[in-house]
Amino acid sequence: GEDVEQSLFLSVREGDSSVINCTYTDSSSTYLYWYKQEPGAGLQLLTYIFSNMDMKQDQRLTVLLNKKDKHLSLRIADTQTGDSAIYFCAESKDSSASKIIFGSGTRLSIRP
Amino acid sequence: DAGVTQSPTHLIKTRGQQVTLRCSPKSGHDTVSWYQQALGQGPQFIFQYYEEEERQRGNFPDRFSGHQFPNYSSELNVNALLLGDSALYLCASSLGFQGVDQPQHFGDGTRLSIL
Repeated sequence: GEDVEQSLFLSVREGDSSVINCTYTDSSSTYLYWYKQEPGAGLQLLTYIFSNMDMKQDQRLTVLLNKKDKHLSLRIADTQTGDSAIYFCAESKDSSASKIIFGSGTRLSIRP
Repeated sequence: DAGVTQSPTHLIKTRGQQVTLRCSPKSGHDTVSWYQQALGQGPQFIFQYYEEEERQRGNFPDRFSGHQFPNYSSELNVNALLLGDSALYLCASSLGFQGVDQPQHFGDGTRLSIL
């Protein structure tokens, strides 16, 4: 089946690292994504990783993939107040033609 | 280079009415997908259009229909609106079937409220 699970809330102190976790069920997923959604806004693609990769780093963002356990994580280094948002984990069979299956989102709040 | 544009931004309807939402894909894209995002939930796939035909469909009733025009723009129509249709409707575009590994691009959505 197709299912993506993630925790609902995460609170982090400003300047610390945030780690948002996600599990998925479809072993044939080829692409795994992290999207950011700020209040009242649409979806912003933060980063994505191919299923044959273990890690991808892009500035403050690090994505780790454990394909055996079907576990994906997003680490945000030096978390800032502007990182407050809902983060969605998602998967698809390919990047362009397939439907994207989303989790319910993790709300990241930053405390001073 | 314009990204994905959706109109209108906000819309208020009453139960039983019909609504049409519009989407213009990013320049160069030929495939449009529609998603429904209910409050507090992740987006759910409604359907996808390519070459003016519906190619994939999610678990949505026939009240949800769509269309794609020769210029690749798309409409989402919802008939007999229910309170549960209140949501943010997102459009995504891509080069769907060209063998190009590029992510889909999302618009900012249309927020539909049903009274």
